[in-house]
Amino acid sequence: AQSVTQPDIHITVSEGASLELRCNYSYGATPYLFWYVQSPGQGLQLLLKYFSGDTLVQGIKGFEAEFKRSQSSFNLRKPSVHWSDAAEYFCAVALYYGQNFVFGPGTRLSVLP
Amino acid sequence: GAGVSQSPRYKVAKRGQDVALRCDPISGHVSLFWYQQALGQGPEFLTYFQNEAQLDKSGLPSDRFFAERPEGSVSTLKIQRTQQEDSAVYLCASSLDPDQPQHFGDGTRLSIL
Repeated sequence: AQSVTQPDIHITVSEGASLELRCNYSYGATPYLFWYVQSPGQGLQLLLKYFSGDTLVQGIKGFEAEFKRSQSSFNLRKPSVHWSDAAEYFCAVALYYGQNFVFGPGTRLSVLP
Repeated sequence: GAGVSQSPRYKVAKRGQDVALRCDPISGHVSLFWYQQALGQGPEFLTYFQNEAQLDKSGLPSDRFFAERPEGSVSTLKIQRTQQEDSAVYLCASSLDPDQPQHFGDGTRLSIL
């Protein structure tokens, strides 16, 4: 069955430290891959997406993600975390662009001052 | 506003009551999705419209859930005879066409007492 896993339920980092959030998927083919961020009481904001081509994609707010086909992974990274990055992060996949997303369970990020 | 608008933001209902949740997509957006997000989990797909046509309703959890988009713009998600397990945030997303990114509203938080 198609699935998306985010192994880390909750991560805490210090402000200024680097960040990596993990995402793995289980699909028969390489899906479209997305990262969304959700602040409390808010909807989802798209950080970045991967369709094809360069496996390192740049997004908004200084985030980047790397697609690794051999590992079925699409990990999100940021070199220096800001306090405002504290939020819930969701990895999502779709078999084609117009299809509904399948979301992972999310990783909650806390940032220490 | 320019974004996806959902109303009400919060809804409290007694078990057994019917509720209706509204989504105003971005003007001109053809595709519209509904998702259900339980507390502490990622969103789960409910149903998808392309214009007024409901092309996929495979995610609706029971026949108590009904969605419509009669004029291809505003959509309403109706839940009949609500149960406690229906308590969740209901997210609406729209896209210009199936090949464009989904834009999410802030959601309706539904609490069933």
